[in-house]
Amino acid sequence: KAGVTQTPRYLIKTRGQQVTLSCSPISGHRSVSWYQQTPGQGLQFLFEYFSETQRNKGNFPGRFSGRQFSNSRSEMNVSTLELGDSALYLCASSVGLLRNEQFFGPGTRLTVL
Amino acid sequence: EDQVTQSPEALRLQEGESSSLNCSYTVSGLRGLFWYRQDPGKGPEFLFTLYSAGEEKEKERLKATLTKKESFLHITAPKPEDSATYLCAVQANQAGTALIFGKGTTLSVSS
Repeated sequence: KAGVTQTPRYLIKTRGQQVTLSCSPISGHRSVSWYQQTPGQGLQFLFEYFSETQRNKGNFPGRFSGRQFSNSRSEMNVSTLELGDSALYLCASSVGLLRNEQFFGPGTRLTVL
Repeated sequence: EDQVTQSPEALRLQEGESSSLNCSYTVSGLRGLFWYRQDPGKGPEFLFTLYSAGEEKEKERLKATLTKKESFLHITAPKPEDSATYLCAVQANQAGTALIFGKGTTLSVSS
């Protein structure tokens, strides 16, 4: 069974640009969550999508947005990039029911110059 | 405020030297507690889910336990390949399925 895949694996952008990251969940999983991981803050929840609807959102500015498609694939977008947005962005998928395990992809390493 | 604290931040062990990692949590209604392993440059790998105090789960050299205030990850006779960062996370009843992570414990096992 294929795991969670994320593309691209590495990205380099400059301040002010925008970026779109993609996530394909495990087959049959309907929930996709996004996390940001930095050395200082650790792993922090961005948002969760289920059946194309944002179900939950973390404490991040509106520059961070996402969406989910009918095949459960998800994208997240960061507009007007700042240096502090440099991080590992992780996607996790789960079946979608409460009290369930989330399985993570390898992440996209974003560097903002 | 829901939060998770892991200790120690770093742990160095000799091969075969058993030890425990601690995860203490403050949450408004625990839905579940999760343990993950993360290797450098990779995403977290799921290990265990614990739902209620007194619950225990085992996998190879790892055993996770849960009380009302904390969880322990016991590592028995570790091997160098157990070297990684171990992350603890909780799901709170008021936060949907969002995971609240601790900062992790980086374990190094030398032969």
